[in-house]
Amino acid sequence: DAGVIQSPRHEVTEMGQEVTLRCKPISGHNSLFWYRQTMMRGLELLIYFNNNVPIDDSGMPEDRFSAKMPNASFSTLKIQPSEPRDSAVYFCASSSLDRDYTGELFFGEGSRLTVL
Amino acid sequence: QKEVEQDPGPLSVPEGAIVSLNCTYSNSAFQYFMWYRQYSRKGPELLMYTYSSGNKEDGRFTAQVDKSSKYISLFIRDSQPSDSATYLCAMSTPGNTPLVFGKGTRLSVIA
Repeated sequence: DAGVIQSPRHEVTEMGQEVTLRCKPISGHNSLFWYRQTMMRGLELLIYFNNNVPIDDSGMPEDRFSAKMPNASFSTLKIQPSEPRDSAVYFCASSSLDRDYTGELFFGEGSRLTVL
Repeated sequence: QKEVEQDPGPLSVPEGAIVSLNCTYSNSAFQYFMWYRQYSRKGPELLMYTYSSGNKEDGRFTAQVDKSSKYISLFIRDSQPSDSATYLCAMSTPGNTPLVFGKGTRLSVIA
């Protein structure tokens, strides 16, 4: 049973370049979340989707960040242009909205981004 | 004040020790409480979940919730080196709202 799949696992890029992170949620899950994790700030919610529709993007730090979910099995997080302060581990997580929803999330292994 | 406060540690204990990890929160609407474990260079994974005040036990792990004090704890008995990880508390309100996480406590269990 495949879990949440993220790519790339590691990305090193130079300031000003475009970065695209990808996520495939668990089949059948209808909520998808993008988090960013740093030592200083911990896990921060950037944006989440329910049934492919963005519900809350108030955590997206700037207009340089954008996220899309064109279908139930794929989402992207794009940073353009990237800056050194964007260096972090980006996690995608999915869950199933149902009657017994408790908020449990299933995380991918993360994409470690380094912007030089 | 952040919604969820968690001491980041690091916490280092000898093998076999009892470990206590804690979080406080400010939002009285939180109803679901979880502990996630995150190994180095991995994603967090759910360790324990509870929605009521009191204790919930699972093997060597006990989750405790005190809603009147807005305080939750995770106890690990007979700690093992394999328990070395970062432990994150998380909580949510009813109604399909996202989890709010603590910053995590890094635990090292020394053999």
